[in-house]
Amino acid sequence: GESVGLHLPTLSVQEGDNSIINCAYSNSASDYFIWYKQESGKGPQFIIDIRSNMDKRQGQRVTVLLNKTVKHLSLQIAATQPGDSAVYFCAENSQAGTALIFGKGTTLSVSS
Amino acid sequence: NAGVTQTPKFQVLKTGQSMTLQCAQDMNHNSMYWYRQDPGMGLRLIYYSASEGTTDKGEVPNGYNVSRLNKREFSLRLESAAPSQTSVYFCASSDLGVSQPQHFGDGTRLSIL
Repeated sequence: GESVGLHLPTLSVQEGDNSIINCAYSNSASDYFIWYKQESGKGPQFIIDIRSNMDKRQGQRVTVLLNKTVKHLSLQIAATQPGDSAVYFCAENSQAGTALIFGKGTTLSVSS
Repeated sequence: NAGVTQTPKFQVLKTGQSMTLQCAQDMNHNSMYWYRQDPGMGLRLIYYSASEGTTDKGEVPNGYNVSRLNKREFSLRLESAAPSQTSVYFCASSDLGVSQPQHFGDGTRLSIL
């Protein structure tokens, strides 16, 4: 079946460090991947996406890496700030192409 | 610049009661979605509407119905609420189907006693 998972449910870093959040996906046919940030009491907020014809995409302080060989997705956050503390979800488009399939999330805690 | 607006934000129901969760988007998106989020789990798709006039079941549709009222509005109805439907419900919208970013509202927190 389809599933999107994350390697670690929690990640704790110091302010200013770089953070790496990992995600494994199971469907080799998926061609679109997306990262969301969810703060307490809020809805998921789009961070960055990547299509399968790319292996890297950069945004403001964030980079997404896609390794299709091992079906692995990662989100790198540079110079992590306390405001980055949140739950991060990866998602992929479903086999049927009907909707996104979400992983369970990684909670990032940033201490100053 | 509201984006996706959900009402109500909180609701407590008794088992067997019915209610409708409302969602509206102002981004002129074609596709809209309803998800539920339970503790320790990611979002699971209940129903979606790829375009105005169409609706389809997602992963967990049982106990729910939806209406795509127009391009802006997509409602979710619980006909006879059950405690297992206690959850946070999120509405989302996107342009041109699933391989585009979905934009989410801030959710409806629903408790069923």
